[in-house]
Amino acid sequence: QSALTQPASVSGSPGQSITMSCTGTSSDVGSYNLVSWYQQHPGKAPKLIIYEGSKRPSGVSNRFSGSKSGNTASLTISGLQAEDEADYYCCSYAGPNTWVFGGGTKLTVL
Amino acid sequence: EVQLVQSGAEVKKPGESLKISCKGSGYRFTAYWIAWVRLMPGQGLEWMGIIYPGDSDTTYSPSFQGQVTVSTDNSISTTYLQWNSLKASDTAMYYCCRGSGIYPHAFDIWGQGTMVTVSS
Repeated sequence: QSALTQPASVSGSPGQSITMSCTGTSSDVGSYNLVSWYQQHPGKAPKLIIYEGSKRPSGVSNRFSGSKSGNTASLTISGLQAEDEADYYCCSYAGPNTWVFGGGTKLTVL
Repeated sequence: EVQLVQSGAEVKKPGESLKISCKGSGYRFTAYWIAWVRLMPGQGLEWMGIIYPGDSDTTYSPSFQGQVTVSTDNSISTTYLQWNSLKASDTAMYYCCRGSGIYPHAFDIWGQGTMVTVSS
């Protein structure tokens, strides 16, 4: 059960859109539409921002969107804001009753 | 308010034992899964294992099987993560998080984290 692969870093300017990827295998991302995404600011606990690949929990900005194709999930943040600067982690159900996280992507807002 | 409150930071020596806790409140504790997640310095999140307090059903990541023990005391709505013999490589922040009841297979409530430092 290997960690999902995420780019170490992405960056963008305020107002722009960025997309980050999360690549797994046919045993996790590819088998289930159960990828979630978490935002973590320094010194804080992670926060759920996307579940089931593309759905947003109540209260999460519609600037965050998710998608999946094959073994790769993606998170897009539109209209970048300074407050979006954080670490982002994907997580996939990997059955049975196990999950796997990605290594995380550090988003820098230029 | 639904929350998970974790025990405080710990400093231990290699070979010592440790049990950290995660107390749930504001919801029916026995009805939701609780997972444990590790964040090592400069690394990403790692899913360690999960327990269902209702029947103590527990599953571990292969990477952590045999290295830690997850347990629960429902009388005080608390889940535990335990080590019998710590190593320096166990130095990390540990989070507990709740399996969501409305967002399938996602973790919607997180504890504040417990920092564990293992050093001689």
